[in-house]
Amino acid sequence: KAGVTQTPRYLIKTRGQQVTLSCSPISGHRSVSWYQQTPGQGLQFLFEYFSETQRNKGNFPGRFSGRQFSNSRSEMNVSTLELGDSALYLCASRSQETSYNEQFFGPGTRLTVL
Amino acid sequence: AQSVTQPDIHITVSEGASLELRCNYSYGATPYLFWYVQSPGQGLQLLLKYFSGDTLVQGIKGFEAEFKRSQSSFNLRKPSVHWSDAAEYFCAVAHGSGGSYIPTFGRGTSLIVHP
Repeated sequence: KAGVTQTPRYLIKTRGQQVTLSCSPISGHRSVSWYQQTPGQGLQFLFEYFSETQRNKGNFPGRFSGRQFSNSRSEMNVSTLELGDSALYLCASRSQETSYNEQFFGPGTRLTVL
Repeated sequence: AQSVTQPDIHITVSEGASLELRCNYSYGATPYLFWYVQSPGQGLQLLLKYFSGDTLVQGIKGFEAEFKRSQSSFNLRKPSVHWSDAAEYFCAVAHGSGGSYIPTFGRGTSLIVHP
């Protein structure tokens, strides 16, 4: 089974621009979560999608948004980029049923904002 | 609110030596606890997890962790470190129900292995 894939792997943008990151979960996984990883703040939860619905959201401004498609693929969008948005953005998927199960992480998208 | 503290930012050990990475958590109820490893340029890989039951849990790559409720700790151990264990290690706590949960990660401990 293919793992979680994220595209692109690297991205350079300038302040004020917007960016869209993509995540393809493991086949059969219906839950996709997004995380931001920075040296200053560490790993922080952005949001979780399940069956095209946002189920949980972390403490991030409205510039950060996401969506999930019927095939469970997910996109994350950041509008009006700021320098502080430079980070590694990680996506994770799991085959959510009624109890916890393991998340599988993708390699991440490295976003640099100039 | 739940929180996780990993007091050691860096740890250096010699290959073959034993390892213990510390993790303390703050959470009102019995938490879900995890240890992840991240190699450079990679995502996170789950090493082991604790939900309930036996407080000593075994994971992959020869790692184990012990849940101590009285100390609010979940320390990761390995009896003999290999050079390939050099990586960033994250402890995490999660709460939730019905399959939905929100994890909180520690700041990570960077493991350096000397030959």
